[in-house]
Amino acid sequence: QLQMQESGPGLVKPSETLSLTCTVSGGSISSSTSYWGWIRQPPGEGLEWIGTIFYTGNTYYSPSLKGRVTISVDTSKDQFSLRLRSVTAADTAVYYCARGGDYGNWFDPWGQGTLVTVSS
Amino acid sequence: QSVLTQPPSASGTPGQRVTISCSGSSSNIGSNSVNWYQQLPGTAPKLLIYNNNRRPSGVPDRFSGSKSGTSASLAISGLQSEDEADYYCAAWDDSLKGYDRLKGYVFGTGTKVTVL
Repeated sequence: QLQMQESGPGLVKPSETLSLTCTVSGGSISSSTSYWGWIRQPPGEGLEWIGTIFYTGNTYYSPSLKGRVTISVDTSKDQFSLRLRSVTAADTAVYYCARGGDYGNWFDPWGQGTLVTVSS
Repeated sequence: QSVLTQPPSASGTPGQRVTISCSGSSSNIGSNSVNWYQQLPGTAPKLLIYNNNRRPSGVPDRFSGSKSGTSASLAISGLQSEDEADYYCAAWDDSLKGYDRLKGYVFGTGTKVTVL
């Protein structure tokens, strides 16, 4: 059974870079039909898609975050990572990683999520 | 700012049928399939419906999805107390802004379902 687990710092200072890693277990990140995505949810708010990557490195990013975000993949470790530059308090959120099934058409399963707070 | 609009809340008594709407446009729902996610309090979202009306293994058949034009709906028949959660629709959005083709995955605004 495929499982996702986010890891990374829970506190980031304003203007710095947020970095998170998602580890995939119970399956291969090099699947030919799976994409891998990051989604976030500010406290008390709705879901926001950040971006999606294929194991070959092909990426799609949210137009609202493009320019600040980079998603990369490490197939040797079955991991993919998120970097979000120049963060502000508005980037405080629970960050989820998820598998994009059916060539990224839907997300399942999701990781449990990790809260990242941007504060000095 | 979400491009898929849902009612902020819906409610019903146990056993009732509850329907949640999701309104989009030709660049998202009108041209791509719709998915629905259920988020129980304090937990990660879970895929509930994919490709407009398909249920993943393990999802009760009291949940059903439909799509017509640029709108979609999620119906919960025989509402149960454990269905109290937030529900989000989602779809890919393909739009053109100037010479740039923008592609993104968009979530709905979310609907909180309360079992009375």
